[in-house]
Amino acid sequence: GAGVSQSPRYKVAKRGQDVALRCDPISGHVSLFWYQQALGQGPEFLTYFQNEAQLDKSGLPSDRFFAERPEGSVSTLKIQRTQQEDSAVYLCASSLSGGPSTDTQYFGPGTRLTVL
Amino acid sequence: AQSVTQLDSHVSVSEGTPVLLRCNYSSSYSPSLFWYVQHPNKGLQLLLKYTSAATLVKGINGFEAEFKKSETSFHLTKPSAHMSDAAEYFCVVRAFGNEKLTFGTGTRLTIIP
Repeated sequence: GAGVSQSPRYKVAKRGQDVALRCDPISGHVSLFWYQQALGQGPEFLTYFQNEAQLDKSGLPSDRFFAERPEGSVSTLKIQRTQQEDSAVYLCASSLSGGPSTDTQYFGPGTRLTVL
Repeated sequence: AQSVTQLDSHVSVSEGTPVLLRCNYSSSYSPSLFWYVQHPNKGLQLLLKYTSAATLVKGINGFEAEFKKSETSFHLTKPSAHMSDAAEYFCVVRAFGNEKLTFGTGTRLTIIP
């Protein structure tokens, strides 16, 4: 079946522009996660949804970052007034249920954001 | 707080020889542990996971890992390396009751023909 998909795969933005990154989770998956992977580093947690509820946003680096999942399926990560330090690969993952904490997270291919 | 330390940033082995990628973890509660692999321009793929059942975990493509609580380790092994194993490997921890994954910094595995 279809896996997690993300669009666009590549995004180039000028500093100060707003960007929106889309994630389509596996159909029926309740939980959705966003991670940020800087060059040469491991992914770092940004935020987590269970259905449409954002249960944890402790990893969002600033108030320029905003995520939503209004209908409990597709999610959008928005970055306002992009800065060069926002350049990274943004990964989306989904898992079947909201717990117990043994569910596998399935990752999408990521969106590579470059801020000039 | 939870964390993982991958002890080697880069490992090179010859094709057909054993692979050992080392990982130590820190977690306040009974953790779940994972190894993910990332091939260039591809998404992260789960190799195997430990969730408090058997301490020796077998994964895909001949990989396995052993959970050793006394050593707080979860090293990844494979008896015989294949060229297709060349990739970046991440050790990952998730604390019980916490949904987010915490990744190590990764180990780049190079296979020498």
